[in-house]
Amino acid sequence: AQTVTQSQPEMSVQEAETVTLSCTYDTSESDYYLFWYKQPPSRQMILVIRQEAYKQQNATENRFSVNFQKAAKSFSLKISDSQLGDAAMYFCAYCLEDMRFGAGTRLTVKP
Amino acid sequence: DVKVTQSSRYLVKRTGEKVFLECVQDMDHENMFWYRQDPGLGLRLIYFSYDVKMKEKGDIPEGYSVSREKKERFSLILESASTNQTSMYLCASSLVRLSSYNEQFFGPGTRLTVL
Repeated sequence: AQTVTQSQPEMSVQEAETVTLSCTYDTSESDYYLFWYKQPPSRQMILVIRQEAYKQQNATENRFSVNFQKAAKSFSLKISDSQLGDAAMYFCAYCLEDMRFGAGTRLTVKP
Repeated sequence: DVKVTQSSRYLVKRTGEKVFLECVQDMDHENMFWYRQDPGLGLRLIYFSYDVKMKEKGDIPEGYSVSREKKERFSLILESASTNQTSMYLCASSLVRLSSYNEQFFGPGTRLTVL
C-alpha cells in the first residue's frame, strides 16, 4: 500500500516569511497525483495545490508552490509571504485510485 | 461551488448505540468517501462508493457499514458504537475517479464522542 509521510508534526513561521512543509511518499507506480490540502481550525478542508506525476514542471498557485522530486518521491509545499490566514493543518495526499493522506503538519503563523 | 454537508457537527452517543452519520453533496458527483481523522494518523479511509448502491471497503471498515441509496447521499453507520470510535468523521466527494481533476471536496466534519 502506498504510504505518505509528513515528518514535521508542527511548524511555525513569522508573518511575511517563507516556510516549507515536507512530504515523502512510497509508490512503485509512475503515474499518479499529489495534493496538498489545508484544514483551517474548525473549517472545511480545501485543496491548496495539485501535481500530476507525469508533469516535470512544479505546480504554482499564487503564494503556494511545490518542489516535486519524482525520483526522491518528495513533494514539499512552499508558502511565500505567509499570512495569518495560512495557519492550519496541512495534509499531503497521494492519489492513484484512492487518496492516501499523511498525518498532517500544523502550521502556526506568528504576527 | 460544490457543497458537501454533514448532518451534525457534534454528536455524543453511548456505547452500544447504533449511530447514523449522513452526508449529502449537491454537485452530482459519482464518488463519495468516508474518512476518520485522528491526531497523528491523518485521514484514514473507512468506506467509499463509486456509484449508487455500490460500496467498497477502505483501510479500516471494521465496525462500520455504509448505505448509498441515492447518488447525492452517503451514510455511515456505526452498528454498535464503541469508545474507540470516538473521532472526527469527514465525508468527501469527487467527480471523476482517475483523473487530474480527482480533487475531493470535503464536508465540515462530525466530531463524534462515544461515552
